[in-house]
Amino acid sequence: KQEVTQIPAALSVPEGENLVLNCSFTDSAIYNLQWFRQDPGKGLTSLLLIQSSQREQTSGRLNASLDKSSGRSTLYIAASQPGDSATYLCAVITGANNLFFGTGTRLTVIP
Amino acid sequence: DARVTQTPRHKVTEMGQEVTMRCQPILGHNTVFWYRQTMMQGLELLAYFRNRAPLDDSGMPKDRFSAEMPDATLATLKIQPSEPRDSAVYFCASGPHLLAGGGGTQYFGPGTRLTVL
Repeated sequence: KQEVTQIPAALSVPEGENLVLNCSFTDSAIYNLQWFRQDPGKGLTSLLLIQSSQREQTSGRLNASLDKSSGRSTLYIAASQPGDSATYLCAVITGANNLFFGTGTRLTVIP
Repeated sequence: DARVTQTPRHKVTEMGQEVTMRCQPILGHNTVFWYRQTMMQGLELLAYFRNRAPLDDSGMPKDRFSAEMPDATLATLKIQPSEPRDSAVYFCASGPHLLAGGGGTQYFGPGTRLTVL
């Protein structure tokens, strides 16, 4: 069974710092991997989707990488801002179109 | 063991037909979300409600999709008319009031797998 883990569970950084969030999964047979942002009480917002054949995706200050063979993905946030404070979730989708979520990293960016 | 339920689990229909998907959130949860999942696009937020009021449906194609919560125990997502590109798995999720704790955790239903021919 696929298990998705995110480290750290919580992270606080001062504004302007670059940071990395980690996601690991146990079964490398994934179709794609997706990073989400979750604000309290709101729906999940998709940040980046990486197909299994890709190694990274970039959107603005965000860069996500994927290493299927080692079962890892990272989300890099450059020049963090207080508005980036949220919970970040990664999810993997298997060929059976099953979605497995990680436990999330709660990020706080301190002004 | 409280859980979100969705009906039907599978639906195959022909292009142009109306499709209605139903969701029963966990009792006591005041926030309900609708998501669509495809292999190419991943999971996308379509709409969400708080205390039965729609808060955000910007992710939903308005011309054919509609979402409602006629009461606290039922949320519906309707597609009329349906098109082949609507084929996807549609998930409903519910979440407790933030003040009740849980940190905004969403509890997902099993999904409705829709195929439009």
